[in-house]
Amino acid sequence: EVQLLESGGVLVQPGESLRLSCAASGLTFSSYAMNWVRQAPGKGLEWVSAISGSGGTTYYADSVKGRFTISRDNSKNTLYLQMNSLRAEDTAVYYCAKGPRPTTITPLDPWGQGTLVTVSS
Amino acid sequence: QTVVTQEPSFSVSPGGTVTLTCGLNSGSVSTSYYPSWYQQTPGQAPRTLIYSTNTRSSGVPDRFSGSILGNKAALTITGAQADDESDYYCVLYMGSGNVVFGGGTKLTVL
Repeated sequence: EVQLLESGGVLVQPGESLRLSCAASGLTFSSYAMNWVRQAPGKGLEWVSAISGSGGTTYYADSVKGRFTISRDNSKNTLYLQMNSLRAEDTAVYYCAKGPRPTTITPLDPWGQGTLVTVSS
Repeated sequence: QTVVTQEPSFSVSPGGTVTLTCGLNSGSVSTSYYPSWYQQTPGQAPRTLIYSTNTRSSGVPDRFSGSILGNKAALTITGAQADDESDYYCVLYMGSGNVVFGGGTKLTVL
């Protein structure tokens, strides 16, 4: 069974940086693209970023482009999201979700349980 | 800018049938966008229901079905049950790494 476990979510001040992690188990990690999706409190889901299985190709939503960086360490079965210049509107639960193939990012299945990032002064 | 549209809310009676839709602010939804559907209950992570328009994810009951209806993707729930009361999101893949979520539909079963 594939399991995804996010971590790293905390309370930070605007302008600060944070790195989220997503530890994967039960799969050959490098064989799958991975995604980050977020959900602001009381709001809908928003796709944030994706990365190919090799890590060689990355994609970003316009709302985070230039501030967030997705990466992965296939030797550690771990996905990362480096978030810089954080804003209040980045406050959300961040989910990682697996893609179906190394270069195919949707559908997203399964999903982790999420980690909460709060950006506030 | 691509906007994926969904009904904000919908209501269905227990045992009834409901069809939720997923459209585009410009153009029609086709199978080329690989529509997928996700169910989310409060405080829980989303669960994949349907992908590639009409393929049910593992373990999803066959009362959930996906299709293209007219110019929209559709999720039909046949024989609605109380625990189907959830938020439902559609996702379209617009190509070139562009994934867009709809705003979600809050389904009430009463």
